[in-house]
Amino acid sequence: DAKTTQPPSMDCAEGRAANLPCNHSTISGNEYVYWYRQIHSQGPQYIIHGLKNNETNEMASLIITEDRKSSTLILPHATLRDTAVYYCIVSPTTSGTYKYIFGTGTRLKVLA
Amino acid sequence: GAVVSQHPSWVICKSGTSVKIECRSLDFQATTMFWYRQFPKQSLMLMATSNEGSKATYEQGVEKDKFLINHASLTLSTLTVTSAHPEDSSFYICSAPPPSGIEQYFGPGTRLTVT
Repeated sequence: DAKTTQPPSMDCAEGRAANLPCNHSTISGNEYVYWYRQIHSQGPQYIIHGLKNNETNEMASLIITEDRKSSTLILPHATLRDTAVYYCIVSPTTSGTYKYIFGTGTRLKVLA
Repeated sequence: GAVVSQHPSWVICKSGTSVKIECRSLDFQATTMFWYRQFPKQSLMLMATSNEGSKATYEQGVEKDKFLINHASLTLSTLTVTSAHPEDSSFYICSAPPPSGIEQYFGPGTRLTVT
């Protein structure tokens, strides 16, 4: 079973920040939080990952609560091309060799 | 960045036949690859872990005799759907972690339709 829960869907106005929450209350100390997104009929695309500190890259920011039981992915200025299903995954290594168990994800729709 | 390809991108086959799907890591070697299946409007479901030089590890409920996985080299894993039936129609996606990577790279997927 997936170790994460996310809201099934969200809408966001174009140009505004999209904040996507994820609960991972059973996360272990050695597990990282990964975010991927899947645009229709394509393979998932890596966005960002983190352990306990907040992270930022060119695509997004990741905010992890101090107790690590939840996190939020922030797309600072959403565009129509950000419309996708966003998956939050916890995995015990950063080597990438551990299998991913996908939850249901959040279907983000960016509105013009 | 690292690229994973799949071939074919879509395939239609008749019920009872077998179909092979290839997953290649184009610019890195992958000792491990993963195969997922995704039905319409559903999430990805992990089917198996493909291990170079050893047998694949299948998830519970996945028939290993029906979904044959061969990790032929450090850049190629194949999934063969044997005696396909209409209920095997799905979107099949592979992923591979690069040796020094943090994330996994996913292929573009293969859409299988069994008629």
